[in-house]
Amino acid sequence: QVQLVQSGAEVKKPGASVKVSCKASGYTSTGDYIHWVRQAPGQGLEWMGIINPSGGSTLYAQKFQGRLTVTRDTSTSTVYMDLSSLRAEDTAVYYCARELEDCRSSNCYDLWGQGALVTVSS
Amino acid sequence: QSVLTQPPSVSAAPGQKVTFSCSGSSSNVGNNYVSWYQQLPRTAPKLLIYDNNKRPSGIPARFSGSKSGTSATLGITGLQTGDEADYYCGTWDSSLNTVVFGGGTKLTVL
Repeated sequence: QVQLVQSGAEVKKPGASVKVSCKASGYTSTGDYIHWVRQAPGQGLEWMGIINPSGGSTLYAQKFQGRLTVTRDTSTSTVYMDLSSLRAEDTAVYYCARELEDCRSSNCYDLWGQGALVTVSS
Repeated sequence: QSVLTQPPSVSAAPGQKVTFSCSGSSSNVGNNYVSWYQQLPRTAPKLLIYDNNKRPSGIPARFSGSKSGTSATLGITGLQTGDEADYYCGTWDSSLNTVVFGGGTKLTVL
């Protein structure tokens, strides 16, 4: 079936990096804009960034500038989110999400991954 | 500290109608399109409304959206116990160059 399948939970120490993958399955993802959204425990949604279909263009929230890298391997229909210099406040569920094709404000996500819990703890 | 303001909670009885508010500014809600999401416990968010008032395929007509000025509203009619969830609004912020979300509203169906 049509889905985004993310990699599993991770436990990292402060200062380390984490790389979460997001693989499109059951459909052709060549035209997708993929976003990353995170949710800290008991908190709301926080947008992190976006990558375009070719992987040649990204936009990151200012909060994550310098720490976040989103890349794409079109040959495997996989998008990667790499967050460095982790701190305890980065503990959250990280979601990838597909932007709806006719969305007018880059904020419509019709397909979500299952989420990947990243825990940052010493 | 969310850019968009949502009340923390609302409640209503089964079968009734409920509305959710989302307040922003001219740099976000006022000049961009709003989406609404439903998040059931321990699941990913689900898109209910996009472009202020459009429903994705598969979303029933009892969910509706509207926008006026710098505020947006999600409405649900014919409430069901399965509607108990957190509801988030989101839009683009032209000043921050970022997608922004509200803090979410928890719906309790009494």
